[in-house]
Amino acid sequence: AQKITQTQPGMFVQEKEAVTLDCTYDTSDPSYGLFWYKQPSSGEMIFLIYQGSYDQQNATEGRYSLNFQKARKSANLVISASQLGDSAMYFCAMREPFYNTDKLIFGTGTRLQVFP
Amino acid sequence: ETGVTQTPRHLVMGMTNKKSLKCEQHLGHNAMYWYKQSAKKPLELMFVYNFKEQTENNSVPSRFSPECPNSSHLFLHLHTLQPEDSALYLCASSQVAQEGSNEQFFGPGTRLTVL
Repeated sequence: AQKITQTQPGMFVQEKEAVTLDCTYDTSDPSYGLFWYKQPSSGEMIFLIYQGSYDQQNATEGRYSLNFQKARKSANLVISASQLGDSAMYFCAMREPFYNTDKLIFGTGTRLQVFP
Repeated sequence: ETGVTQTPRHLVMGMTNKKSLKCEQHLGHNAMYWYKQSAKKPLELMFVYNFKEQTENNSVPSRFSPECPNSSHLFLHLHTLQPEDSALYLCASSQVAQEGSNEQFFGPGTRLTVL
């Protein structure tokens, strides 16, 4: 069965520092997609970054980058130059293969707190 | 309105009440989803609609009844709920396609409390 594991329930980082949020996944399918979402206290899930299983390079989106290690089945999120507004819950998710649907399986999340 | 909207944002109901949650997407997507987010648990996918057809029902109790009248609107009808159904209910939409990220865009959620 497919599974997403986030082992860090909470992380602290000082403003302007970089932080890595861990995510490991388990799947037997060669085709899959990995996502990171941010959930502020308001509740809305905000899409941050995507990595396809066949992508040759690590995904980057502004201050967000995804450290994709396929052999280790890990997809860690790196946030550079943290800002106070980055304080939120962060969820890693995996998409099942495309069979006319885009089901996402989510991890339990990591609460990131950025302090001045 | 832009993106994905949900109403109401907060709902308190008794176990014998009947209520409905509404979701609307303004993104032209062809798939919509209902998720349940309980405290300290991963998001749970409840229902998936693709091109208005329900393609997924993740063993959700019958007291939750989805309705998708068109590709832009999604409802979740609630009746005789239990206190353990109290949670944040999130709606999402995406453009399902063969390639690409097809990321799901989420609404702000409805915080449901069942008394």
